[in-house]
Amino acid sequence: AQSVAQPEDQVNVAEGNPLTVKCTYSVSGNPYLFWYVQYPNRGLQFLLKYITGDNLVKGSYGFEAEFNKSQTSFHLKKPSALVSDSALYFCAVSREAGYSTLTFGKGTMLLVSP
Amino acid sequence: GAGVSQSPSNKVTEKGKDVELRCDPISGHTALYWYRQRLGQGLEFLIYFQGNSAPDKSGLPSDRFSAERTGESVSTLTIQRTQQEDSAVYLCASSRTSASTDTQYFGPGTRLTVL
Repeated sequence: AQSVAQPEDQVNVAEGNPLTVKCTYSVSGNPYLFWYVQYPNRGLQFLLKYITGDNLVKGSYGFEAEFNKSQTSFHLKKPSALVSDSALYFCAVSREAGYSTLTFGKGTMLLVSP
Repeated sequence: GAGVSQSPSNKVTEKGKDVELRCDPISGHTALYWYRQRLGQGLEFLIYFQGNSAPDKSGLPSDRFSAERTGESVSTLTIQRTQQEDSAVYLCASSRTSASTDTQYFGPGTRLTVL
């Protein structure tokens, strides 16, 4: 069975500093990896995904993520955090064969202080 | 263009009542998914529709839960005899196809509270 771990319930960072939100996964076969963001009382918004190719994926709002196959990780990064980036971030995985259903991590709350 | 819409946005019901939640996917999207998000938890898959194929119901937690979809349009999720543990946000998503590489786009969710 596939699974996703987000080891940090919360990440605190000062505005202007770089941020990293961690994600590791377990899946048989090649993984397809996604990051979503959820603002209060809103649905999930798609940020970026890794399917194949370049391990560094760039997405919306200046976010990027690095796929590391040997470490089975897909950490979300941003060079300079904004207060408006404060939200709940979810990592998700689907696998190459068959299922398109996403398996989600429990989410990481990102708090950016002014 | 229009995104995924869900109604109602909030639903408060009494234990034992039936509720019906609605999802309008993005036009042209053939795949539709329902997920449940409990407080402090990630999303749990409930059910998946692809075109006119039989739905994948493997995530439904009990036979009190059912869902229908009319062709490639509206879907309704029905919860019968609601229990307090059904309280959650129910999220609907759609994607252009059912391919694992396709992005799922989510609606704003329906917050269900069972008293």
